[in-house]
Amino acid sequence: GNSVTQMEGPVTLSEEAFLTINCTYTATGYPSLFWYVQYPGEGLQLLLKATKADDKGSNKGFEATYRKETTSFHLEKGSVQVSDSAVYFCALRVYNNNDMRFGAGTRLTVKP
Amino acid sequence: EAQVTQNPRYLITVTGKKLTVTCSQNMNHEYMSWYRQDPGLGLRQIYYSMNVEVTDKGDVPEGYKVSRKEKRNFPLILESPSPNQTSLYFCASSSPGSRHEQYFGPGTRLTVT
Repeated sequence: GNSVTQMEGPVTLSEEAFLTINCTYTATGYPSLFWYVQYPGEGLQLLLKATKADDKGSNKGFEATYRKETTSFHLEKGSVQVSDSAVYFCALRVYNNNDMRFGAGTRLTVKP
Repeated sequence: EAQVTQNPRYLITVTGKKLTVTCSQNMNHEYMSWYRQDPGLGLRQIYYSMNVEVTDKGDVPEGYKVSRKEKRNFPLILESPSPNQTSLYFCASSSPGSRHEQYFGPGTRLTVT
């Protein structure tokens, strides 16, 4: 079946550190891949997405590249800020299937 | 403003007392879905709907019901809530097709005692 595995947290970084959150997937068909962010007390917001292999999604300094050969979609940011503290979810949605699968989420805390 | 709204945001109830969580979207989306979020498990789909009067079970449908009588609304019904349904619930909507992201409501935190 379709599934997403992401790096377990929590992750704690100092401000301006480099961030990587790993995400790998298993899917039949041709998935689109997403990263969502959940700030405390809020719903999930789309952070970025990529809909085909080798696409790079980017937003707010975050980026992730759709790697079909390694079935991965790792999230990166060069310099994190305290305001980036949140829970990050990797997700996929398969072509011709509206089902969306989420990873377990990774909690990021950025300290000043 | 494009949005998904849920009500109530917080609810504490007792075992067996029927409740409904409402969900409404103003984006004319065909697809709507309910998820529950539990620590370490991510989001798990409860039910989804492809359009008016078309609903289907997700991964964890036991103990829940839904209806889709209007395109904009997709209420979640717990006929006889139990403590294991204590969770954070999210409604989402989207256009159909894998390229489209889902838009999420703010969540409903339910506690069943």
